[in-house]
Amino acid sequence: EAAVTQSPRSKVAVTGGKVTLSCHQTNNHDYMYWYRQDTGHGLRLIHYSYVADSTEKGDIPDGYKASRPSQENFSLILELASLSQTAVYFCASSDRGKDQDTQYFGPGTRLLVL
Amino acid sequence: TQTVSQSDAHVTVFEGDSVELRCNYSYGGSIYLSWYIQHHGRGLQFLLKYYSGNPVVQGVNGFEAEFSKSDSSFHLRKASVHWSDSAVYFCAVSANNNNRIFFGDGTQLVVKP
Repeated sequence: EAAVTQSPRSKVAVTGGKVTLSCHQTNNHDYMYWYRQDTGHGLRLIHYSYVADSTEKGDIPDGYKASRPSQENFSLILELASLSQTAVYFCASSDRGKDQDTQYFGPGTRLLVL
Repeated sequence: TQTVSQSDAHVTVFEGDSVELRCNYSYGGSIYLSWYIQHHGRGLQFLLKYYSGNPVVQGVNGFEAEFSKSDSSFHLRKASVHWSDSAVYFCAVSANNNNRIFFGDGTQLVVKP
């Protein structure tokens, strides 16, 4: 069964609206990540978290907030959605220690901002 | 900062052919190198990784990759591809002292019957 799940799987939002993407993992991993993927490109890191109640900025944090209320849950929040935030968003988790560089991904959320 | 370059955006082969997907990296320190696979509409899945030791690492489904320090490369290979290998393949690099991963732009592999 899937260890990293995301909801919703797809969403249509209006410009200026608020969007919340949710991620849940049952891997018992400490680290969680949010990436965005644009067509034909690799993944870019938005926010990540080492531990519950703490988040860190990634490479492209502008326009996004993150929340990690528990070890299992990690949310990505777009307070004022914009057209440029249309993309596929992936959540991932990884363990601490020697395998911290191996990440386990969710199925993705396809976001369309109109 | 680590960087990863995948020179081929698209590779098309026939079923049963061998294939090599190219990856070059830039980083001066000790690193982990990985390959991930992404089937259409799915999340990325870990294939294999290298840190030290034997430069040829084996992954699932007959994939292997070879590390070359002199060429700064970590190319992925498979001797005989199957149609189900059609996917996008991402090379990734991370420093051995943290959990940040930097992904290449991916290579789309199309396997024709």
